[in-house]
Amino acid sequence: GAVVSQHPSWVICKSGTSVKIECRSLDFQATTMFWYRQFPKQSLMLMATSNEGSKATYEQGVEKDKFLINHASLTLSTLTVTSAHPEDSSFYICSAKELLGQAEAFFGQGTRLTVV
Amino acid sequence: QKEVEQDPGPLSVPEGAIVSLNCTYSNSAFQYFMWYRQYSRKGPELLMYTYSSGNKEDGRFTAQVDKSSKYISLFIRDSQPSDSATYLCAMSDNNNDMRFGAGTRLTVKP
Repeated sequence: GAVVSQHPSWVICKSGTSVKIECRSLDFQATTMFWYRQFPKQSLMLMATSNEGSKATYEQGVEKDKFLINHASLTLSTLTVTSAHPEDSSFYICSAKELLGQAEAFFGQGTRLTVV
Repeated sequence: QKEVEQDPGPLSVPEGAIVSLNCTYSNSAFQYFMWYRQYSRKGPELLMYTYSSGNKEDGRFTAQVDKSSKYISLFIRDSQPSDSATYLCAMSDNNNDMRFGAGTRLTVKP
């Protein structure tokens, strides 16, 4: 299957700082990338959908000014958690689709963010 | 009512058992059905992908989709301890939206 690489795999940051998470499609061009958040023993919660070259579409309740998403190229999307707080601590996962309308999505390894 | 319902378990079976995992859904527009396996602290890994109704087999894994009942299943034959993980069902219509079940935690005991 296609490979999606997410970096870093874990990060610890201080309250009030910003953290950037990268999601790269290594062997395909991703027209659409998704960002999810997952709390322990819970399912994936879609945060936003981004298409290359356009603004991300955020799910209801997700603050776009806090979770900045940039999908500048067909192989890279970034999620920046701005002014992080302890309640932002979670597991963040990206996924990518190669073709518009394709159902299959491939996931990155996830990033565990801990805000202290 | 959630769009996708999945029993979170946990489900514990002995090695070699047949495992049955299920999801129900309410949106009749869903046409693409997927099963993902997620190990602890890792991203989900695509296991099976099915379009519309029918069965699909891949090694020890069989996915079934019954659109008339809005019910999908994943069967694991000859289960192994390495199959211990959380299994997530996911489904999508023709657009980009993909909805996940809550995930079922499976433990296969040696």
